Amino acid sequence: SAVISQKPSRDICQRGTSLTIQCQVDSQVTMMFWYRQQPGQSLTLIATANQGSEATYESGFVIDKFPISRPNLTFSTLTVSNMSPEDSSIYLCSVARAVEAFFGQGTRLTVV
Amino acid sequence: QQQVKQSPQSLIVQKGGISIINCAYENTAFDYFPWYQQFPGKGPALLIAIRPDVSEKKEGRFTISFNKSAKQFSLHIMDSQPGDSATYFCAATLNAGGTSYGKLTFGQGTILTVHP
Repeated sequence: SAVISQKPSRDICQRGTSLTIQCQVDSQVTMMFWYRQQPGQSLTLIATANQGSEATYESGFVIDKFPISRPNLTFSTLTVSNMSPEDSSIYLCSVARAVEAFFGQGTRLTVV
Repeated sequence: QQQVKQSPQSLIVQKGGISIINCAYENTAFDYFPWYQQFPGKGPALLIAIRPDVSEKKEGRFTISFNKSAKQFSLHIMDSQPGDSATYFCAATLNAGGTSYGKLTFGQGTILTVHP
């Protein structure tokens, strides 16, 4: 299994500002994944973060809006930049062990 | 090509009844199909999963049925309990580029309510 801790668990932010979400895993993993879950919606993959290289972004997501850092094998951050109300979502960090993907509890972001 | 379609959007079942959630996929390269359960304020947690070379998998009250030719799979919850009330997501994935099944394509989700 994997224990994933995310900070903050929730936040309310002003439009135009940025928020950095932290994700800590209890043991080393090669890849970490960031998902977005919009209100009442499904989960959509934002990007894959591999230690030592730039993150790989999915269609519709760009590095300028969602910069990601991966300084070591147990930690990653996702920044939501220049926020607008449309960015209000739950952001989840995930890792995979064998065939199972594990998720953090998520960061509930509200942009006002 | 990457879509996974899930139905119904919401489901209300009486305690002791059977809950059935259906999913369909398009990409035949997918080779692992998990179901996730999500409670409010929590991240999704793996419930049960199946590979396409198996037509059915059962774990306790939860069963996945898989139809490879139709590209469909479904979750059956037998003897549904109020504690099963949650949002259920089907998903599909494949091990490509070293991502070890971490890149999941999710269905739209089903909100299950089990009445006592």
